[in-house]
Order: sequence, then C-alpha cells, then structure tokens
Amino acid sequence: EAQVTQNPRYLITVTGKKLTVTCSQNMNHEYMSWYRQDPGLGLRQIYYSMNVEVTDKGDVPEGYKVSRKEKRNFPLILESPSPNQTSLYFCASSPTLAGGYTFGSGTRLTVV
Amino acid sequence: AQSVTQLGSHVSVSEGALVLLRCNYSSSVPPYLFWYVQYPNQGLQLLLKYTSAATLVKGINDFEAEFKKSETSFHLTKPSAHMSDAAEYFCAVSEFGYGNKLVFGAGTILRVKS
Repeated sequence: EAQVTQNPRYLITVTGKKLTVTCSQNMNHEYMSWYRQDPGLGLRQIYYSMNVEVTDKGDVPEGYKVSRKEKRNFPLILESPSPNQTSLYFCASSPTLAGGYTFGSGTRLTVV
Repeated sequence: AQSVTQLGSHVSVSEGALVLLRCNYSSSVPPYLFWYVQYPNQGLQLLLKYTSAATLVKGINDFEAEFKKSETSFHLTKPSAHMSDAAEYFCAVSEFGYGNKLVFGAGTILRVKS
C-alpha cells in the first residue's frame, strides 16, 4: 500500500530533551515536506526536500532540523524542544509539482 | 508569497443540503490548487486538484470545485451533504520555486445536521 509512515503517533517529552520523529514513504517520491498544524493557523511548512541531500527551510524552521540521506526517509529533529513546539506534525511526500502531497497520519507532540 | 483565504472557520448545513466552502488565493499566475479533507485524528486526504486543465474539477465523494481566474477563487461544492462529510477542509495552493510548497488556508470545519 502506498503510504507515508510517521512514528511515533503520540509523544510527550520534557523541555530540552532531543527527539526525532521519523518519516518514511514507499512511493519513490522526489519531494518531501514537514508541516505543523496549530488551531486557527492551518498547516505551516517547517522544512522541505526536493531530493536526496537537498533540503531547505520553510516558513517556520526555527528549532528544527532535517536530513535526507535516502530518498524514502525524511526525519524531523528537535535538538532542544520547547513548549511552543507542542503541535501536530505531518510529514508528506509528492512526486511532482502538480501531484499533490500524500500525508502521513500525524505525530502529536507535547513538550512540558 | 502566496496566501489562501477560507471564508468561514465553521460552516453548518443540514443533511441533504448543498455544501459550499469558499477559498480565495492570491497569485499573479495560475497556480495549482488543492482541497484536502481531515477527519478527526487523521491525516489530510486529497479531495481534488486543479492543474490548469478543466476549470471544473471533480473529486472523490461527489465533491467538485471550480477554478475562476477572474475571481481568484476555488470554491468547493457538493450537491447533497451526508453526515460522513463532517470534517475539516483545507484549501491549498502550490508555490512555485519553493520546493513544491503548499500554502494552506486556515481551514473550515463543516458540521452536518440531521
């Protein structure tokens, strides 16, 4: 089944404790992206990648890192999480500009 | 940078009534436009997309949207609402030159009354 898989689905952590949210797609898509969803703000892009080793900042990159060492994987790293990073996070992938993104099921992160 | 405006954060309709969710975008060139639906505790699912072919686009579950360049609009409609349509709907536009970034509207929560 074609899909984007994120892990974990739910995570509660403490301020300053490094964490990684994994994302993997099995569709051989070129483009991958991370979004965060907050009430009333819709989805905002954190980082995106156009291919292996090609990544760039989105609208809200502060406090996040990504890497794209393999085409299928695009992990999101929070080096020192803070409470304002409490949010619902989505990974997504797309084959082309016009293809539309396929989204993962989301990771609900709470930083206390 | 592009922006997307969804009029009405909440829309309520009766079962069987017409659904109309409004979306306006800001763009000087024809963009790619998308509607996504999000059911509670789930990810986003693509409903339909406009990619410069036919201006009336049909999607899943009898939804459709019409691209109107003169009005910079891409409103989503469904002739007859069903209880299962209750969800949050997002309009999005592709921003070229930015790695296929989708710019999303704030979302519209659709409530369907029996």
